[in-house]
Amino acid sequence: NAGVTQTPKFQVLKTGQSMTLQCAQDMNHNSMYWYRQDPGMGLRLIYYSASEGTTDKGEVPNGYNVSRLNKREFSLRLESAAPSQTSVYFCASTDTGTAPSDYGYTFGSGTRLTVV
Amino acid sequence: QKEVEQDPGPLSVPEGAIVSLNCTYSNSAFQYFMWYRQYSRKGPELLMYTYSSGNKEDGRFTAQVDKSSKYISLFIRDSQPSDSATYLCAMTRNTNAGKSTFGDGTTLTVKP
Repeated sequence: NAGVTQTPKFQVLKTGQSMTLQCAQDMNHNSMYWYRQDPGMGLRLIYYSASEGTTDKGEVPNGYNVSRLNKREFSLRLESAAPSQTSVYFCASTDTGTAPSDYGYTFGSGTRLTVV
Repeated sequence: QKEVEQDPGPLSVPEGAIVSLNCTYSNSAFQYFMWYRQYSRKGPELLMYTYSSGNKEDGRFTAQVDKSSKYISLFIRDSQPSDSATYLCAMTRNTNAGKSTFGDGTTLTVKP
């Protein structure tokens, strides 16, 4: 059982380049999320998908787009990378059912992105 | 003001010590409370979750929620060097598509 798989693990981009971060989960979870983690700023929500076919903005969506390709996959795209987007990106999923345990996330291992 | 404030640390304790990690929050709509552990250069992993006020125990870990004071804590008994990590508190409203709001994390080092 792989859980949440993110690719790539590391990436260096030049300013203005584009790229897509991939995320896939095999737990049949309904909801998926993209967070970025920066020193001193914790985890901040970029975009989320409450269920297949829906996506919504989080706290810091500017400069990003997402696609919920199917129930398993949720990708994050940087159209024109900027140095301010240098960060560690985490994908997470959860079931959002009725039990308290449903609200805990399973995280991927992260993508370390540097924009120069 | 952030919705969730976490004691910043860092925290350094000797092996065997009792550790207390704390978060406060401002939004009374939060109903689910989680603690995550994050080892260096890894993704966070869910450690404990609670729904109501009171204590929940799991081995050496105890999660405490006081909704009246908007305060949550994680206690670690008999701390081990393997407990050295960053601990993140997180909170969720049950009608919010499961979106969690995280504290900034407290880095704990347990010295042998």
